[in-house]
Amino acid sequence: DAGVTQSPTHLIKTRGQQVTLRCSPKSGHDTVSWYQQALGQGPQFIFQYYEEEERQRGNFPDRFSGHQFPNYSSELNVNALLLGDSALYLCASSRTGTGVVTEQFFGPGTRLTVL
Amino acid sequence: GDSVTQMEGPVTLSEEAFLTINCTYTATGYPSLFWYVQYPGEGLQLLLKATKADDKGSNKGFEATYRKETTSFHLEKGSVQVSDSAVYFCALSDRDSSASKIIFGSGTRLSIRP
Repeated sequence: DAGVTQSPTHLIKTRGQQVTLRCSPKSGHDTVSWYQQALGQGPQFIFQYYEEEERQRGNFPDRFSGHQFPNYSSELNVNALLLGDSALYLCASSRTGTGVVTEQFFGPGTRLTVL
Repeated sequence: GDSVTQMEGPVTLSEEAFLTINCTYTATGYPSLFWYVQYPGEGLQLLLKATKADDKGSNKGFEATYRKETTSFHLEKGSVQVSDSAVYFCALSDRDSSASKIIFGSGTRLSIRP
């Protein structure tokens, strides 16, 4: 079992650019959540995808968008990058069964640096 | 909104010392409570959890008890090892929600001296 995988590992962008991060969930999982972890802080919830739809969203601007594919993998897109978007982006996968989400398993993250 | 407050670090202890990392929470409902650990260069791992009042979560010698009366979930270990050096996050999620986002504290960095 490969666990949750994310790509790329590291990414450097400049202000104003757009970025796409990718996540493959753990085998058997159908729900993907994204978190932003700024340096020295705890992760902040961005949004969660289930059945290819955004199910819940945290307090992040519309510049942050996502997608979930039929194979349950997911992308996080950030437009018009700001310096403050520099962070570790974590993907977590889980299984939604009978309406209750089970434990979330986290990937290693993508380190985004905006210059 | 819901929130988690945990002891600021860094915390530095000698091997075999007793560890306590304090955590309190604010929630409107009846959350599930978690401790996650992040080892250097690795992703977040669930260390232990408790889903209702008075439950005790335990794993790898670590324990935490869900105290509803004090809204606390303090992490303890009787004898720490160098390998326990990591960042520890207290967290909660809405147990009754089918889309349970996790709300994290700011983390406590723990360093254990040999």
